[in-house]
Amino acid sequence: DQQVKQNSPSLSVQEGRISILNCDYTNSMFDYFLWYKKYPAEGPTFLISISSIKDKNEDGRFTVFLNKSAKHLSLHIVPSQPGDSAVYFCAASAIGFGNEKLTFGTGTRLTIIP
Amino acid sequence: DVKVTQSSRYLVKRTGEKVFLECVQDMDHENMFWYRQDPGLGLRLIYFSYDVKMKEKGDIPEGYSVSREKKERFSLILESASTNQTSMYLCASSFSPSGKQETQYFGPGTRLLVL
Repeated sequence: DQQVKQNSPSLSVQEGRISILNCDYTNSMFDYFLWYKKYPAEGPTFLISISSIKDKNEDGRFTVFLNKSAKHLSLHIVPSQPGDSAVYFCAASAIGFGNEKLTFGTGTRLTIIP
Repeated sequence: DVKVTQSSRYLVKRTGEKVFLECVQDMDHENMFWYRQDPGLGLRLIYFSYDVKMKEKGDIPEGYSVSREKKERFSLILESASTNQTSMYLCASSFSPSGKQETQYFGPGTRLLVL
């Protein structure tokens, strides 16, 4: 049972345009969400997070939006750069319920076309 | 700067061998985690530990065990390796004060091939 879903395995975007990566979840107890970025042969690195008390969090070129009623979050990257080419994982946890485990999605491979 | 290191980047083992994967973190983090990453399946949690000598099963613990004798070190053990355990193994650690989520920091991964 996949509680965190990334339905697009891959995405190609022109350099300078906006990249939008989507993530859906099914567990209503999730209250904290993160995005990780992973290059080949490296471990994932933390990108940005959002608590369920917010609907938007911004950090430079990266913005995460949370729609709790739809159980949906998205990561916007603008403008996209070649170095953004990587696999992106969304993850969720139920920290307010004493559970610090992260549940990851299956990942979306983003390719930025120069 | 948080550093999580894993003992090997690449390992090749034979079916039935006992395999040890070691992970060390240098930030005095309470929590440590072992995941495996497989194409189309994302990262799946195998085991985690909140403190020394404590362990909790993750989502796919079958065929694995763990050991945490010191706070900075978390070992993953494959008692009898099988070909379906061929995968990328990722260790992570986090500091987690009560009621607050902290980022998990990952090591570079160990790519294990079981023949």
